[in-house]
Amino acid sequence: DQQVKQNSPSLSVQEGRISILNCDYTNSMFDYFLWYKKYPAEGPTFLISISSIKDKNEDGRFTVFLNKSAKHLSLHIVPSQPGDSAVYFCAASTRTSYGKLTFGQGTILTVHP
Amino acid sequence: DAGITQSPRHKVTETGTPVTLRCHQTENHRYMYWYRQDPGHGLRLIHYSYGVKDTDKGEVSDGYSVSRSKTEDFLLTLESATSSQTSVYFCAISELGAGMQDTQYFGPGTRLTVL
Repeated sequence: DQQVKQNSPSLSVQEGRISILNCDYTNSMFDYFLWYKKYPAEGPTFLISISSIKDKNEDGRFTVFLNKSAKHLSLHIVPSQPGDSAVYFCAASTRTSYGKLTFGQGTILTVHP
Repeated sequence: DAGITQSPRHKVTETGTPVTLRCHQTENHRYMYWYRQDPGHGLRLIHYSYGVKDTDKGEVSDGYSVSRSKTEDFLLTLESATSSQTSVYFCAISELGAGMQDTQYFGPGTRLTVL
């Protein structure tokens, strides 16, 4: 039972345009959501997070939106750069879970110059 | 970057042999986690620790055991490796963990191949 799903295995975007990565979840107990970026042969690196009490969080070129009623979150990258090409994972946790994260399958983002 | 190292970084072993992977942190964080990454599954939690000698199972714990005798070290052991345990293993740490909205920081990973 996949509680966190990223239904798009890959996304291709032109440099300078917006990248939108999507994530859906089924567990209504999740109250904290994170996005990680992963380059080949490296560990995931933290990008941005959002608490369930918010619907938007921004950090530079990265914005995460949370729609609790739809159990959906998205990551917007504007403008996209070739260095953003990586695998992006969304993850979720609950306050009672010792910080354990449940991950989506990942989306491969390719930004073309 | 969080001070997390994993050893070995690569290992090839044979079915039925024991294997131990080590995670070492210099951040003095209380919480440590072991995940495995497989195509189509993202990262899945194997075991985690919420303090020295305090560990618990994650989503995919069968065939794995862990130990934490010091704050800085978290060991993952495959008692008798199987081909289904071929994967990339990541260690992660967090400072706050339970009851808090905290960020986990990941090590560089260990690529394990079981022949």
